[in-house]
Amino acid sequence: DTGVSQDPRHKITKRGQNVTFRCDPISEHNRLYWYRQTLGQGPEFLTYFQNEAQLEKSRLLSDRFSAERPKGSFSTLEIQRTEQGDSAMYLCASSLEAGYSRFGPGTRLTVT
Amino acid sequence: DAKTTQPTSMDCAEGRAANLPCNHSTISGNEYVYWYRQIHSQGPQYIIHGLKNNETNEMASLIITEDRKSSTLILPHATLRDTAVYYCIVRVLTSTDSWGKLQFGAGTQVVVTP
Repeated sequence: DTGVSQDPRHKITKRGQNVTFRCDPISEHNRLYWYRQTLGQGPEFLTYFQNEAQLEKSRLLSDRFSAERPKGSFSTLEIQRTEQGDSAMYLCASSLEAGYSRFGPGTRLTVT
Repeated sequence: DAKTTQPTSMDCAEGRAANLPCNHSTISGNEYVYWYRQIHSQGPQYIIHGLKNNETNEMASLIITEDRKSSTLILPHATLRDTAVYYCIVRVLTSTDSWGKLQFGAGTQVVVTP
C-alpha cells in the first residue's frame, strides 16, 4: 500500500484565516482518525470516522473545527478563524476494524 | 484506558539492545499494550502490541510481566535510525465507537549514540 498521505505538509497562515487539510487513508481502511500534536507532547485525539460517519469528537474540537469524510474515503479537517493556539502538527491515521492504526506524515500548521 | 508511566529519556549505544520500560499498574484484563514510536517530524509508527504473552516481530520484542502491570520493549540491536520518542499505550481492543483511539503520553526520548 502507499500508506496514509496528508496534504499540505506545511501551512503558514495568518490569524483569523480559514485553513483546510486533507487526509487520504489506506484504501481499504474504513476507520479514520485525526489527532493534534503540540511541541513536546504526544498526539491528542480529535475525532474519528467509521466510513463516512463521524462517530466521536473530542472536547478539544471546538466549534471552529469541522471534519468530514463525505464518501468514506478521504477526509478533510477545516479550522475557521485560526488562532495562534491552533499552531500544531495535525496527524491523520487509518485502520481496519481489527487492525492497528497507521499514521500519515502530518500537516504542520503555523498561525502567525 | 489505563495510564502508563515511562522514563522521560534514555540513551543507548549503537549495536546494543535497548530495553524500554513501561508501567501500567491499573491495566484491566481486556486492555492491550501497544508501542508506537515517532521519529522527529514524522507521524507515529506502529511497533508491536500484546495482551499477556510475549510478542516478537521484525522490529522488536515485547515482554509483559505475569501480573501485566509493566512491560518492556526490546530493540535487539539499536541503530542510529532508532532514535525517536517511544510511546507505550494501553487500550481496550473492542468494536466500540472508540476502537482504535489512542491516548498518548509524553513517551520516552531514546537517543542511540555511535
